[in-house]
Amino acid sequence: GQQLNQSPQSMFIQEGEDVSMNCTSSSIFNTWLWYKQDPGEGPVLLIALYKAGELTSNGRLTAQFGTTRKDSFLNISASIPSDVGIYFCAGQLNSRGAQKLVFGQGTRLTINP
Amino acid sequence: DADVTQTPRNRITKTGKRIMLECSQTKGHDRMYWYRQDPGLGLRLIYYSFDVKDINKGEISDGYSVSRQAQAKFSLSLESAIPNQTALYFCATSDRQYFTDTQYFGPGTRLTVL
Repeated sequence: GQQLNQSPQSMFIQEGEDVSMNCTSSSIFNTWLWYKQDPGEGPVLLIALYKAGELTSNGRLTAQFGTTRKDSFLNISASIPSDVGIYFCAGQLNSRGAQKLVFGQGTRLTINP
Repeated sequence: DADVTQTPRNRITKTGKRIMLECSQTKGHDRMYWYRQDPGLGLRLIYYSFDVKDINKGEISDGYSVSRQAQAKFSLSLESAIPNQTALYFCATSDRQYFTDTQYFGPGTRLTVL
């Protein structure tokens, strides 16, 4: 099956620093999604990317759909304590009407105040 | 009120017991999914359903079964629970728009099998 490699697995940063994480795949995806999971909650969608090369922002978050369609990255600028959580990338395949997501392993972000 | 609800939120059970996890949604979506989350492995798809009469196996369906009782309800069953089914389970829903769809997740059920 498809595999997504997400890195880094964990990050320990100071408040105010910028954050960068990425996902790579051996397969091509039609859509890339970035989710955030807070403790005790389900993942919440942050950004969706639909076209190769697309760069999309959501507040302090910026994500890009790689031109090869096999990778994506997420940047968080000027991190704040509420950014703590686990971030997941997900690639979506459109095949015969099936909209299935393949998730990365997650990046756990810890922020020191 | 939450759009996607899961019950129970936490459950501890013993090996061999039958367990049912329930998911309800008020979003009016046709598509529903069950995922399992293990540390370091992200979320893996167990089963998915595109409408009431449609059930499909996901990546890791062995040991699980599902029932789509209505558009708004999708249940996951473990007929005979085993310890390696200890995990966090998430239900999700989606409604296809254009050529892609966004999945909305419930709060999760933490299942421990002793």
